[in-house]
Amino acid sequence: GENVEQHPSTLSVQEGDSAVIKCTYSDSASNYFPWYKQELGKRPQLIIDIRSNVGEKKDQRIAVTLNKTAKHFSLHITETQPEDSAVYFCAASINFGNEKLTFGTGTRLTIIP
Amino acid sequence: GAGVSQSPRYKVAKRGQDVALRCDPISGHVSLFWYQQALGQGPEFLTYFQNEAQLDKSGLPSDRFFAERPEGSVSTLKIQRTQQEDSAVYLCASSFTSEFPSNEQFFGPGTRLTVL
Repeated sequence: GENVEQHPSTLSVQEGDSAVIKCTYSDSASNYFPWYKQELGKRPQLIIDIRSNVGEKKDQRIAVTLNKTAKHFSLHITETQPEDSAVYFCAASINFGNEKLTFGTGTRLTIIP
Repeated sequence: GAGVSQSPRYKVAKRGQDVALRCDPISGHVSLFWYQQALGQGPEFLTYFQNEAQLDKSGLPSDRFFAERPEGSVSTLKIQRTQQEDSAVYLCASSFTSEFPSNEQFFGPGTRLTVL
């Protein structure tokens, strides 16, 4: 089955700086890669996603890049703000028809004011 | 409209008790997923329904775990003879309507199960 690795496990950045979180996946059949933000005690919420036919996607301060050949994808957050502090999870999904997600182990991002 | 809801939000069970966790997906969503999230970990897939059909239960950790979605809407995850290792947050997610096909999964707030 699919295996997703995520790093770093913790990340601290100064407010206003950029943060980058990286994930690798094992199954080349994976074609959907979402990123979820989870605040303490809250539900995971989708912040951005990318499909395998696209190399990059951007939404305001958040961007995701995908390298299918290397089987890795990254989350980029620019101009970080205190409210960006949370745990971020990457995930991968193999099939349309059974879109079960395989999650990474998470990155705890702390923005230092 | 309303998002995915789950009940109860918190459940404390004595070891050996049976528990039932409920999920109300977003109205009209065809797909429903259950995940288990241990403390400090990412969610792990348990089972998947498309309407009332359980198409994948490969993630259920043992035969003590059972899930159903009899009318293709509300789902229940049942754990029999709970063990301490069952302590976790159980997340439900739903996705996909025929009018707006999308992979995006919308998560509920979870049920935090503590087995003493």
